[in-house]
Amino acid sequence: DSGVTQTPKHLITATGQRVTLRCSPRSGDLSVYWYQQSLDQGLQFLIQYYNGEERAKGNILERFSAQQFPDLHSELNLSSLELGDSALYFCASSLRLDYTDTQYFGPGTRLTVL
Amino acid sequence: KNEVEQSPQNLTAQEGEFITINCSYSVGISALHWLQQHPGGGIVSLFMLSSGKKKHGRLIATINIQEKHSSLHITASHPRDSAVYICAVRGTYKYIFGTGTRLKVLA
Repeated sequence: DSGVTQTPKHLITATGQRVTLRCSPRSGDLSVYWYQQSLDQGLQFLIQYYNGEERAKGNILERFSAQQFPDLHSELNLSSLELGDSALYFCASSLRLDYTDTQYFGPGTRLTVL
Repeated sequence: KNEVEQSPQNLTAQEGEFITINCSYSVGISALHWLQQHPGGGIVSLFMLSSGKKKHGRLIATINIQEKHSSLHITASHPRDSAVYICAVRGTYKYIFGTGTRLKVLA
């Protein structure tokens, strides 16, 4: 158990809908990362937050947004969902801001868009 | 050409064999991570490297910054090592993943 929790574990929804994925980092970790893993594209970095502020952005679509709250949990919002958004979404946390720190991964949320 | 290339893509080994997985990258990096993804989907961070070599149990990871290359070695492989191994690097303001090496160790 990494200490990172993600909810829900599974989510099935329809095209055009909006969903929110939640991540609680390990106790004491200030940095949260979101990743998408689809069958055809592998793992891709979406966005990083550190202590409530956005610090790095990857291949995140404009239909997606994220935030980190004062209690350090983070939410990833996906809107106007398309079939291609079906994927595993992981969050990870680390203590520090920089990428030299070990990241601890949550179990993932499997999103299926029908 | 991908900025992070792994080889081989698939690897089948017999229990006890020495295994090497390679990762080459074309961007400047501040760190390289090796990740293990279990068949159930969970991801574990194995190593973070910025230089030299690290060892943890039967796993050894090395990096050559000048050659932009890293290797992950597994000694005395075991069926429980069967997983996908992924290298990941931080380039300039972005994080890039290799496509993974699927390892199967047969008893």
